[in-house]
Amino acid sequence: EPEVTQTPSHQVTQMGQEVILRCVPISNHLYFYWYRQILGQKVEFLVSFYNNEISEKSEIFDDQFSVERPDGSNFTLKIRSTKLEDSAMYFCASSWTGGFSRNTEAFFGQGTRLTVV
Amino acid sequence: GNSVTQMEGPVTLSEEAFLTINCTYTATGYPSLFWYVQYPGEGLQLLLKATKADDKGSNKGFEATYRKETTSFHLEKGSVQVSDSAVYFCARPSNTGKLIFGQGTTLQVKP
Repeated sequence: EPEVTQTPSHQVTQMGQEVILRCVPISNHLYFYWYRQILGQKVEFLVSFYNNEISEKSEIFDDQFSVERPDGSNFTLKIRSTKLEDSAMYFCASSWTGGFSRNTEAFFGQGTRLTVV
Repeated sequence: GNSVTQMEGPVTLSEEAFLTINCTYTATGYPSLFWYVQYPGEGLQLLLKATKADDKGSNKGFEATYRKETTSFHLEKGSVQVSDSAVYFCARPSNTGKLIFGQGTTLQVKP
């Protein structure tokens, strides 16, 4: 069964450092997403990406964040200068259609646990 | 507005007990509704979904019925197992496509 894969599974970084979280969405999917989950809290939307551009972003997704699909298979989330409050589980997701329309299912990766120290 | 509200956890049950996790939503119109499950140390998996009013989604013994009258999508299972211990998220799409999640309900099933 096709799946979304994320690497690394756990990343520890020092405050102020740049991190890149990597995702390989399902190959024929067209819509890509990043969500995050701070420990014990709800899953929050960060950004959606379609046709090589951001289609929507949340207020969390400030200038420190960027996304890229550099080679047609990977989908990356970059945090330029990490802060302690960026510590969270980051989930990548992909779907065939957008808008989570009636028959769309979003497939999620296993997540990357980012710890900023 | 756009929101999803779940009952607070944790929910602790004995094996074979009946489970209900409440979920209500606000929306204009009738969006699809989803339950996702997160097993310990794993990512989010779609458990079941319903795409229109009065639909019943079901999977692995879990069921949820889309009730537009009460704007609810409660998750039920007749007889839980230890392996059902996980965090359960109710979710709906916004009108722009992103998923809006409830706060999650932790279920712990004891043998």
